[in-house]
Amino acid sequence: DAGITQSPRHKVTETGTPVTLRCHQTENHRYMYWYRQDPGHGLRLIHYSYGVKDTDKGEVSDGYSVSRSKTEDFLLTLESATSSQTSVYFCAISESWTLQETQYFGPGTRLLVL
Amino acid sequence: GQQVMQIPQYQHVQEGEDFTTYCNSSTTLSNIQWYKQRPGGHPVFLIQLVKSGEVKKQKRLTFQFGEAKKNSSLHITATQTTDVGTYFCAPDTGNQFYFGTGTSLTVIP
Repeated sequence: DAGITQSPRHKVTETGTPVTLRCHQTENHRYMYWYRQDPGHGLRLIHYSYGVKDTDKGEVSDGYSVSRSKTEDFLLTLESATSSQTSVYFCAISESWTLQETQYFGPGTRLLVL
Repeated sequence: GQQVMQIPQYQHVQEGEDFTTYCNSSTTLSNIQWYKQRPGGHPVFLIQLVKSGEVKKQKRLTFQFGEAKKNSSLHITATQTTDVGTYFCAPDTGNQFYFGTGTSLTVIP
């Protein structure tokens, strides 16, 4: 497995509280992604990064923000968590944007918003 | 926008039976990847198809890319309990990366 860790692995929080999820990689890959996975929807892209301080929105970015201050770290923040953001969140990395490159996924973070 | 349909959503098979999942796109694809996710795990890359009509095999798994590059299939011959999981296609339109909704495979011993 690629060197990707996510923290925390599990989190329970209350509606309205801020939450930050961290993705850390040791592969020095340029591209990093945040996905959420929900039953019936598969994996949906939230945000992605193509370099330090370079980020862009994905398919379901509303309610989420990201930051990347170092190559190895990509943070996902829920400014004010809602119950609809209960999900499993996966971080992924790749060497380039095109699908000529494989995406490697982290172990995931299970978030429950009460 | 891009429409990616993956069917079926669920499939239960007896061990030893074959299994096929299909991924259909409304637009022509640059290439397509397939991933497997074991229960409780994370998606893991299986294969990438690039050429029209391409067929690739990995032991009991056969992957096909349609001639028009709008659809793809994954076929598993003689399923085993180790095949349990969700199989996702990930088509590349050249603009953005999407995942199909996945097919969840249950293998009954």
